Amino acid sequence: GAGVSQSPSNKVTEKGKDVELRCDPISGHTALYWYRQSLGQGLEFLIYFQGNSAPDKSGLPSDRFSAERTGGSVSTLTIQRTQQEDSAVYLCASSLAGVEGGGLSYEQYFGPGTRLTVT
Amino acid sequence: QKEVEQNSGPLSVPEGAIASLNCTYSDRGSQSFFWYRQYSGKSPELIMSIYSNGDKEDGRFTAQLNKASQYVSLLIRDSQPSDSATYLCAVNSGYSTLTFGKGTMLLVSP
Repeated sequence: GAGVSQSPSNKVTEKGKDVELRCDPISGHTALYWYRQSLGQGLEFLIYFQGNSAPDKSGLPSDRFSAERTGGSVSTLTIQRTQQEDSAVYLCASSLAGVEGGGLSYEQYFGPGTRLTVT
Repeated sequence: QKEVEQNSGPLSVPEGAIASLNCTYSDRGSQSFFWYRQYSGKSPELIMSIYSNGDKEDGRFTAQLNKASQYVSLLIRDSQPSDSATYLCAVNSGYSTLTFGKGTMLLVSP
């Protein structure tokens, strides 16, 4: 079946502009995650959505970052007033978490990512 | 704070050898364990999951889990140059989020 999709694949923006990144999870997956990966670095957790529950925003680095998930499916990550340090690959993942329970439900599947470059 | 530790490498092995990648975790209540492979410039790809103590084999890959020692490993038999990538260990501790290690870079030389 179709995997996680993200758009755009690449985004170049000027410092101070706002950007929106989109994620479409695997059909039937109730959990959706956003991560950031800077060059040569590990995965940095940003935000997690589970069904209709309030999102876990504990990883968002500043109030310039926000995300929403409409209809329990597609998610948009918005970065306002972008800074050069925001340049990174933004990865989205989804999982079955909460649907079946147990280990299988925690398996996260990643999209191809959006490479954001702030000039 | 939950931590997952991996040697950053690079781990260099010759083609055909066994590559052994190791991971330790801090939360004794952790329940599910995952290995992801990440090629340069690509996103992480799930390659193995393990949920109980012991070994789990899938083709050339074997995941090993020892909860008492809080240790999980990935063995790659008959390593190929195409296995050269960064391998990420991830741990779930009862919630839906995963804690990822920073990854071990594996280099397989022809």
